[in-house]
Amino acid sequence: SAVISQKPSRDICQRGTSLTIQCQVDSQVTMMFWYRQQPGQSLTLIATANQGSEATYESGFVIDKFPISRPNLTFSTLTVSNMSPEDSSIYLCSVGTGQGNQPQHFGDGTRLSIL
Amino acid sequence: GENVEQHPSTLSVQEGDSAVIKCTYSDSASNYFPWYKQELGKGPQLIIDIRSNVGEKKDQRIAVTLNKTAKHFSLHITETQPEDSAVYFCAASQGGYSTLTFGKGTMLLVSP
Repeated sequence: SAVISQKPSRDICQRGTSLTIQCQVDSQVTMMFWYRQQPGQSLTLIATANQGSEATYESGFVIDKFPISRPNLTFSTLTVSNMSPEDSSIYLCSVGTGQGNQPQHFGDGTRLSIL
Repeated sequence: GENVEQHPSTLSVQEGDSAVIKCTYSDSASNYFPWYKQELGKGPQLIIDIRSNVGEKKDQRIAVTLNKTAKHFSLHITETQPEDSAVYFCAASQGGYSTLTFGKGTMLLVSP
């Protein structure tokens, strides 16, 4: 399966600031995804990042708050903008391999705390 | 949209016992069902998946069964070991380029 690296692995940030999370894959993939996992909760899809086109956002998530870049087939970034304590979560990158999106493999996530 | 219910939310077993986690889904068009294991401080790891053209799939101590008529699927872990302790998530999708919908997770605790 693909090896997925996320940076940073964790961070503590001040409210009102922004943080960019990087996701690097060791092979070219068509589909990359960004999820949020709030403490003790399940995974919620933020957006799908396609190379060469704008990201597709799920209901409840907007580009101004979570801008995404996908400059090539092995890399994507997610920015969490104007952060508030409610943004404290684990942010996970995943990639789709094989047939369409499946199976999906995840990185180890970025643990973000907002003070 | 798809809705995935997962039970139980926590499951405690003794080492060597079997563990069963059950999920139901609402969208009859769903045809791909993966299971993920998430250890503390790690991302979810795919442990097994099943597509709707089969009813059961096994991989060593892990098996998944699918009942399309009843729209439910289950994860079976036999001869549990302490290292099986983790949070397990089921998910469903319509396959192809469709997105995954996750259940709320089951915390499995295996006591020595």
